[in-house]
Amino acid sequence: DGGITQSPKYLFRKEGQNVTLSCEQNLNHDAMYWYRQDPGQGLRLIYYSQIVNDFQKGDIAEGYSVSREKKESFPLTVTSAQKNPTAFYLCASNSVQGAFGLTNTGELFFGEGSRLTVL
Amino acid sequence: AQSVTQLGSHVSVSEGALVLLRCNYSSSVPPYLFWYVQYPNQGLQLLLKYTSAATLVKGINGFEAEFKKSETSFHLTKPSAHMRDAAEYFCAVRAYGGSQGNLIFGKGTKLSVKP
Repeated sequence: DGGITQSPKYLFRKEGQNVTLSCEQNLNHDAMYWYRQDPGQGLRLIYYSQIVNDFQKGDIAEGYSVSREKKESFPLTVTSAQKNPTAFYLCASNSVQGAFGLTNTGELFFGEGSRLTVL
Repeated sequence: AQSVTQLGSHVSVSEGALVLLRCNYSSSVPPYLFWYVQYPNQGLQLLLKYTSAATLVKGINGFEAEFKKSETSFHLTKPSAHMRDAAEYFCAVRAYGGSQGNLIFGKGTKLSVKP
């Protein structure tokens, strides 16, 4: 089955430690995204990448880093510089170009999420 | 620039009652609009999308939404609520340019369904 796999589902971290969240997709999508979700704040964009070896900061990139060495993979590292890392993290992907000549509507496909708790 | 406003962070209905979740958008170009649903500790799942075809869009689980350009609205409705509809719902509009990625999301509306 095609989809987006995030791991781990739950992660606990001590203050001062870096942690990496994995996101893998087999949908052959060009673009991948990381969102952070906090109660009552909706989804906030951390980083996104539209092509291998290139990525852009979103609205809340401070304290986070990413890489895009393969089309299928877009890992997110939460560094010790992130002041309040406890949150639910969502990875998403889509095609930059629409399929079969259709207009790209921007529809996103999401993984199941990773919940990070800092102890 | 594009933006989305969801009116009401919490909505509570009785089982069998009408569900109405409100979404207003702002867009300088003809919009693409989406509703997503999220169950606890899960990712977002697409309910339906408006892509400038029919203004009344039908989605999964009996939900539908109507695009009203004059009111800049895209409200989500379901005639009869079921307990399994309890979840959080997000309205989104396609973004163009800037740092906002591909979709701009509202803050979400949590739907509770009372027996």
